[in-house]
Amino acid sequence: ELKVEQNPLFLSMQEGKNYTIYCNYSTTSDRLYWYRQDPGKSLESLFVLLSNGAVKQEGRLMASLDTKARLSTLHITAAVHDLSATYFCAVDEGAQKLVFGQGTRLTINP
Amino acid sequence: NAGVMQNPRHLVRRRGQEARLRCSPMKGHSHVYWYRQLPEEGLKFMVYLQKENIIDESGMPKERFSAEFPKEGPSILRIQQVVRGDSAAYFCASSPPSARLEEAFFGQGTRLTVV
Repeated sequence: ELKVEQNPLFLSMQEGKNYTIYCNYSTTSDRLYWYRQDPGKSLESLFVLLSNGAVKQEGRLMASLDTKARLSTLHITAAVHDLSATYFCAVDEGAQKLVFGQGTRLTINP
Repeated sequence: NAGVMQNPRHLVRRRGQEARLRCSPMKGHSHVYWYRQLPEEGLKFMVYLQKENIIDESGMPKERFSAEFPKEGPSILRIQQVVRGDSAAYFCASSPPSARLEEAFFGQGTRLTVV
């Protein structure tokens, strides 16, 4: 059974700082997704990583995938308050199923 | 393109009642997926449907839960005789006929509260 673990689960940081969220998964997959969820809202797709070594960047967020290590990272550069949200990684288990991590609740303080 | 539409957004049911959650996929999308999110947790897969077919219901509880996606109209997730443990946010997503998950979009969810 595929398991997906994120850490940390809670992260409080100051504006302007850098930090990384980690997503580990237990079985082979080369497709991984990152989503953002604001309170009471749906999931917004941030990145789709489709191969080993994939790196994607959008604004202050950068995601990477190492399929050999079964690890993806979401790096936040010079955080701003607007990035406060819960971030989920999800791994494609195959057969049209995503397995989600528990989520990382990110709070960025002015 | 209105996106994936779910209704109602919030639903309150007493224990033992039935809950019906609706999901209208994006225009041109023919695949629907339902996920459940318990408080403070990630989403968990429930069921994958195409028009008039259930493709994979491996994540559905064996009793009280059912799903359909008729030829016409929205997909329906039905929960009979709700219990407190059914309180959760239920999200649906849809994808085009290619069924590529990277082309899937999520709706805003239905938050079910069982009292």
